[in-house]
Amino acid sequence: DAGVIQSPRHEVTEMGQEVTLRCKPISGHDYLFWYRQTMMRGLELLIYFNNNVPIDDSGMPEDRFSAKMPNASFSTLKIQPSEPRDSAVYFCASGQLTEAFFGQGTRLTVV
Amino acid sequence: RKEVEQDPGPFNVPEGATVAFNCTYSNSASQSFFWYRQDCRKEPKLLMSVYSSGNEDGRFTAQLNRASQYISLLIRDSKLSDSATYLCVVNGAAGNKLTFGGGTRVLVKP
Repeated sequence: DAGVIQSPRHEVTEMGQEVTLRCKPISGHDYLFWYRQTMMRGLELLIYFNNNVPIDDSGMPEDRFSAKMPNASFSTLKIQPSEPRDSAVYFCASGQLTEAFFGQGTRLTVV
Repeated sequence: RKEVEQDPGPFNVPEGATVAFNCTYSNSASQSFFWYRQDCRKEPKLLMSVYSSGNEDGRFTAQLNRASQYISLLIRDSKLSDSATYLCVVNGAAGNKLTFGGGTRVLVKP
């Protein structure tokens, strides 16, 4: 298995634009997590899914953020409209209860 | 109060020395505990799980103290390659979400 695959690896966009981050989890994993990492706030859980169902989205900062998992092999995190304070590294991770495997992350810069 | 707290460091460690650091968690019903390692500009990776009885993996020893609600990581005979950020992770009682601490940065120097 290639591991958790995220795309794009880097994204630079202008304030106000829509941004969509993509994640392909490891096959067979029941859980999928979206995290955001910044120097100031560290690694923050945004939302997680169990068997494609969103379980806890309390970490989603505001209505501009939305996440979907239409099937077991794909998830998206969308920001609309984007703002400069959204600049961060966004990680997707999949796993079971005992371990989460992370993708390489998407480095988002909003200018 | 944050759910999981760590000393951000950095801990500057001479090569070959021992370093230890803790992580505290606020939810007494937390069930599972882990240490992850994150290298600069890379994704976090599981280093080791932390068991109630304590466990060792080579030069790394993890301990859990439920009464005081902290876990610890000790690194013996530090190598230059141990330089990284070590993230404490707690699987909370409210759902199976992995909550990360802010990380402890360790710098091993020759």
